[in-house]
Amino acid sequence: GDSVTQMEGPVTLSEEAFLTINCTYTATGYPSLFWYVQYPGEGLQLLLKATKADDKGSNKGFEATYRKETTSFHLEKGSVQVSDSAVYFCALSVRSNDYKLSFGAGTTVTVRA
Amino acid sequence: NAGVTQTPKFQVLKTGQSMTLQCAQDMNHEYMSWYRQDPGMGLRLIHYSVGAGITDQGEVPNGYNVSRSTTEDFPLRLLSAAPSQTSVYFCASKRDSVSYEQYFGPGTRLTVT
Repeated sequence: GDSVTQMEGPVTLSEEAFLTINCTYTATGYPSLFWYVQYPGEGLQLLLKATKADDKGSNKGFEATYRKETTSFHLEKGSVQVSDSAVYFCALSVRSNDYKLSFGAGTTVTVRA
Repeated sequence: NAGVTQTPKFQVLKTGQSMTLQCAQDMNHEYMSWYRQDPGMGLRLIHYSVGAGITDQGEVPNGYNVSRSTTEDFPLRLLSAAPSQTSVYFCASKRDSVSYEQYFGPGTRLTVT
């Protein structure tokens, strides 16, 4: 089946530090890959996506590259802010089950001033 | 344009009680889904719908019921609440089979005692 594994948290960083959250996947088809973010007390928002190999998704200073050879989609940001404190979810969707997102367990990130 | 709305925001039930979680979207999206979020497990799909009058089961459908009589509304019914249904419930919608992004509501935090 389809599954996503992401690094466990929690992760605590100082402002302006570099953030990486690892994500790997297994999929029955050719997946589209996503990072969703959940700020405290809110629902999930799409942060970025990539729909084919070697695509780079980017938004709000975050980036992730679709690596088919390593089945990975790691999230990075070069200089985090306190406002980046949130839970980050890696997810995938395949065309044969396009109604469904398969999520990783989520990584809680706390950025300290 | 309110997006995806959910009510109530919080609910406490006793074991054996029934209730309905409401979800509505005003974007004319074909697809709607219900997920539950549990610590360390990401989000798991309960039920989904690809259009009015069409529903199907996701990964964890037991104890839940859905219907989709209109494009806008997708209520989730708990038939006889159990402590294992204590969770945060998210409703999501997607425009159609071609689109990638799912839009999430703010969530309902349910506690069953």
